Amino acid sequence: DQQVKQNSPSLSVQEGRISILNCDYTNSMFDYFLWYKKYPAEGPTFLISISSIKDKNEDGRFTVFLNKSAKHLSLHIVPSQPGDSAVYFCAAKYNAGKSTFGDGTTLTVKP
Amino acid sequence: DAGVIQSPRHEVTEMGQEVTLRCKPISGHNSLFWYRQTMMRGLELLIYFNNNVPIDDSGMPEDRFSAKMPNASFSTLKIQPSEPRDSAVYFCASSPQALNQPQHFGDGTRLSIL
Repeated sequence: DQQVKQNSPSLSVQEGRISILNCDYTNSMFDYFLWYKKYPAEGPTFLISISSIKDKNEDGRFTVFLNKSAKHLSLHIVPSQPGDSAVYFCAAKYNAGKSTFGDGTTLTVKP
Repeated sequence: DAGVIQSPRHEVTEMGQEVTLRCKPISGHNSLFWYRQTMMRGLELLIYFNNNVPIDDSGMPEDRFSAKMPNASFSTLKIQPSEPRDSAVYFCASSPQALNQPQHFGDGTRLSIL
């Protein structure tokens, strides 16, 4: 059973527009959520995170929203830039334990 | 600052051979993770260590896989004997043990078993 799901394998948006990447989870014990970004031939790099006691966290162009009742989180990128084109992984963890990753969403930002 | 260093970056070998992947975590990080990425299974955790001690190896696929962390600055993942289905990208990551710290990943080893 996959506890963290990213149901959209890919997303394409126009430069300057908003990108919204979604992630659903099933384990209500998860209390910390992270987004990682991955370029080809590189390892994932940490982007932004949110604790379960919050519903929003913002860092520049990146905002993560958490809806605990729906077990859903989303990453908003505004405005999107061609350099944002990458694979985005959602991850969840609890009690400082291991992280469980989604399968990733490939974002393409067109100039 | 040096990040997580993995070697080799690429490995091509024949089925049945022993494969050893190496990882040097970021200095001061107490936790180390080994992941495998494939098209079919995504990014899956194989094993992780805290303070050089294996904590959870439930993701290790079978006895052909073994991992060690003899000291705080080095870890190995070994496959013996290797099989074509082991072909994947293997990532090592490290993090401070403190609560809710993100992981820092190496650039991975692309392994091809012929």
